Amino acid sequence: EIMMTQSPATLSVSPGERATLSCRASQSVSSNLAWYQQKPGQAPRLLIYAASTRATGIPPRFSGTGSGTEFTLTISSLQSEDFAVYYCQQYNNWPPWTFGQGTKVEIK
Amino acid sequence: QVQLMESGGGVVQPGRSLRLSCAASGFTFSTYAMHWVRQAPGKGLEWVAIISSDGSNKYFADSVKGRLTISRDNSKNTLYLQMSSLIPEDTAVYYCAREGAWVSAFDIWGQGTMVTVSS
Repeated sequence: EIMMTQSPATLSVSPGERATLSCRASQSVSSNLAWYQQKPGQAPRLLIYAASTRATGIPPRFSGTGSGTEFTLTISSLQSEDFAVYYCQQYNNWPPWTFGQGTKVEIK
Repeated sequence: QVQLMESGGGVVQPGRSLRLSCAASGFTFSTYAMHWVRQAPGKGLEWVAIISSDGSNKYFADSVKGRLTISRDNSKNTLYLQMSSLIPEDTAVYYCAREGAWVSAFDIWGQGTMVTVSS
C-alpha cells in the first residue's frame, strides 16, 4: 500500500498571500496524483488530477506540480473561500486508493 | 446536472447491518466505475470500495473486507453499500464518488450520509 504524507498539517495564511502545500508518496506514483478541497460540512471537491491538470471550473489560482514521489499544490492568492482542508490522493497503484491525512489552510 | 445523492445512514447497534444507497443522475451511470469513501468524525478520507461499471469487478479496503459489500443496479442508476457485522470503527460519513472517465480520480461526490455504530 502506498502511503501519502502531507505537510504541514496546518498552514496559516493571510488573504491574498500564496499557500504552498506538499504531498509525498512512499513510492513513485508517476503523475497519478489528485488534490481535493473539503470545506466544513461539505463533500470533497476535485481540484487537480494528473498532478497538474485543473478539474472543470477550478480557477487558475490553483496549480499543481510534481511527479514521482513529491508533489505541490499552490494557491497563488488566497481568497476567503479557499480556507479549507486539502487532501492529496494517489491512483497509480490500486487497490487501495490512498489519501494523505490532509492540510488545513486557515486564516492568519 | 450531474449529481450523486446518498441515503440510508443512521444509528445502528454493533453487530447489526445497514444498507446505504447512492442515486445517480445527470450522467450515464452504467459507464462509470463507482467508489465508496468514508470519513470518521474529525478524521481524513478513507477509501472503502470500488465497483466497475458493469459490476463484474469489486475491491475492498482491508479494514472492511468480508463485512461490507458493494453492488449496483444500472437499470435504477443506483449504487449500494451493504454493511454487516458493524463495529464502532465504522462510524463515519459515507460518500459515494464517481471515478473519472479518463483518469482514476474521483470527479463527482455525493453529499454523504452519516453512519453511527453505537449501543
